[in-house]
Amino acid sequence: IAGITQAPTSQILAAGRRMTLRCTQDMRHNAMYWYRQDLGLGLRLIHYSNTAGTTGKGEVPDGYSVSRANTDDFPLTLASAVPSQTSVYFCASSNLGTDYNEQFFGPGTRLTVL
Amino acid sequence: RKEVEQDPGPFNVPEGATVAFNCTYSNSASQSFFWYRQDCRKEPKLLMSVYSSGNEDGRFTAQLNRASQYISLLIRDSKLSDSATYLCVVNPAYSGAGSYQLTFGKGTKLSVIP
Repeated sequence: IAGITQAPTSQILAAGRRMTLRCTQDMRHNAMYWYRQDLGLGLRLIHYSNTAGTTGKGEVPDGYSVSRANTDDFPLTLASAVPSQTSVYFCASSNLGTDYNEQFFGPGTRLTVL
Repeated sequence: RKEVEQDPGPFNVPEGATVAFNCTYSNSASQSFFWYRQDCRKEPKLLMSVYSSGNEDGRFTAQLNRASQYISLLIRDSKLSDSATYLCVVNPAYSGAGSYQLTFGKGTKLSVIP
């Protein structure tokens, strides 16, 4: 693989169900991020991780959790999905320590919660 | 004032036209700046990092004005393939939590018409 992969591509989920969105990168970037994108609201940061073993909350963390057991993987879990979590979810990664911290994005997961 | 503001457009321009987008940001301590491109239902992709002295990449020119806190993107000789949404992105500053979080504008939609 090259870059960032996300799975699944899309998912329809019943409210109340648990769901984990997967994200894997092979660029050996130290930092990873989860965003959601909603029409009219742009990209909003959910959680981030600066390095394996650490995570932090972004702008809209409620209802979501993350873990970073290793450099490559950064799963996002919805413990009990609600319809307001219907969105497109993007995972991204970057190499902290460079001057510009460009972030590179995965192809996204389209999640619909009914 | 919103952290990063862009004119949402849409900008409808004929092929071959020159089009310019502006973006303003509120945090004067912002460290770095980018333009991303996002095609419909796709992930954002880095178009250009914006350097203090301005920079050019083929038909694309980015400028930064720190005094006025705005960034611009100029596209010359527009192509049909330039049709997309252009996101202005700012790295506000080192947050103290060890995270270089980016702030995204909501995007400016460009349609290049034959």
